[in-house]
Amino acid sequence: GAVVSQHPSWVICKSGTSVKIECRSLDFQATTMFWYRQFPKQSLMLMATSNEGSKATYEQGVEKDKFLINHASLTLSTLTVTSAHPEDSSFYICSARDRTSGRQGFGDGTRLSIL
Amino acid sequence: GESVGLHLPTLSVQEGDNSIINCAYSNSASDYFIWYKQESGKGPQFIIDIRSNMDKRQGQRVTVLLNKTVKHLSLQIAATQPGDSAVYFCAENLYNFNKFYFGSGTKLNVKP
Repeated sequence: GAVVSQHPSWVICKSGTSVKIECRSLDFQATTMFWYRQFPKQSLMLMATSNEGSKATYEQGVEKDKFLINHASLTLSTLTVTSAHPEDSSFYICSARDRTSGRQGFGDGTRLSIL
Repeated sequence: GESVGLHLPTLSVQEGDNSIINCAYSNSASDYFIWYKQESGKGPQFIIDIRSNMDKRQGQRVTVLLNKTVKHLSLQIAATQPGDSAVYFCAENLYNFNKFYFGSGTKLNVKP
């Protein structure tokens, strides 16, 4: 249970491009999804919490205009990195909470490389 | 934010030995904790959880201990196997905030 799929798994693009990452809960409905960022050899940093049908809540220091989050349905949340630059290169991981069991599943991450 | 040059601490153990991984959490209001395992290039996998009204919980080959007095968690892995090699993170859930914050992580290296 609590299977989460994240797509794409790897993106390489030019500076200035906007990149969209999808997070889907496959076998459950998720009213809450979370987006994390992870630098090499470091821990996961929570970026934002998204609730279905409402605006995302961003952690302190995370630019909401840079990292646009949409949680349009109970099984899909998207993170768009707008006008990405090399410093946005990182490993982005989503997580979704099963609203029935409370169990939290994680996607396998998206490695974003901006040239 | 990130710390430039930060490296994960590493614990090296011999196959078959027991492993103990420690974690200090930050907020005394946290009421729920989870240990996760992360293999290279993948997302975290749930290992075991514990609520703040408990001080010990056992799973298959794993035990989590919680010491709220000093805000400390530990994960004990019995008879460590090569497949246990990964980075281990503890995560804390702040009471009523419905979201998890991750600790700094420990890399477990199991030598055959």
